[in-house]
Amino acid sequence: DAGITQSPRHKVTETGTPVTLRCHQTENHRYMYWYRQDPGHGLRLIHYSYGVKDTDKGEVSDGYSVSRSKTEDFLLTLESATSSQTSVYFCAISQTGDTEAFFGQGTRLTVV
Amino acid sequence: KQEVTQIPAALSVPEGENLVLNCSFTDSAIYNLQWFRQDPGKGLTSLLLIQSSQREQTSGRLNASLDKSSGRSTLYIAASQPGDSATYLCAVVGTGGAQKLVFGQGTRLTINP
Repeated sequence: DAGITQSPRHKVTETGTPVTLRCHQTENHRYMYWYRQDPGHGLRLIHYSYGVKDTDKGEVSDGYSVSRSKTEDFLLTLESATSSQTSVYFCAISQTGDTEAFFGQGTRLTVV
Repeated sequence: KQEVTQIPAALSVPEGENLVLNCSFTDSAIYNLQWFRQDPGKGLTSLLLIQSSQREQTSGRLNASLDKSSGRSTLYIAASQPGDSATYLCAVVGTGGAQKLVFGQGTRLTINP
């Protein structure tokens, strides 16, 4: 299995609180991605990174920010969590953007 | 905008059957297509990656084909087993703009003993 660790694996938080999810990789892959998975919508890209300090928005980026200060870590922050952000969040990595992608085990986030 | 479609959304077959899962995409300008498996409550496991210059890839009982010009891919599973029950997702990486995976909604496969 590719070395990808997401933390926490489960989290319950209250509306309006900030939340940070962490993705850590040991593969030294350049690209890292955050997706969310929801019934009826499938997997949708939130943000991605193509190098340290290089990030860009995906299709559902509103309400989310990211940071990548080291190759191995990609953080996803919900500045003020809302119930619509209740979802399962997946981190993915790839060596270059057009090579095989590997996924983490996911973080189940519930906003109450 | 690239769109990926997987039909059917769900499929139930008896053990031992050979089966085909379908994936179609609207923009043929792709780098590659990747098939994943997802078990309930788990992450995605990569099954096969087909580069745009390739026609097919094989791994064990799995064979994936790619017809880029028609925007189609199939995943063939031979001699299905109950352990093959899962959701199967296909995703493409387009050549225009950001290099990111665009996913279909998946096919939920159930193999009945």
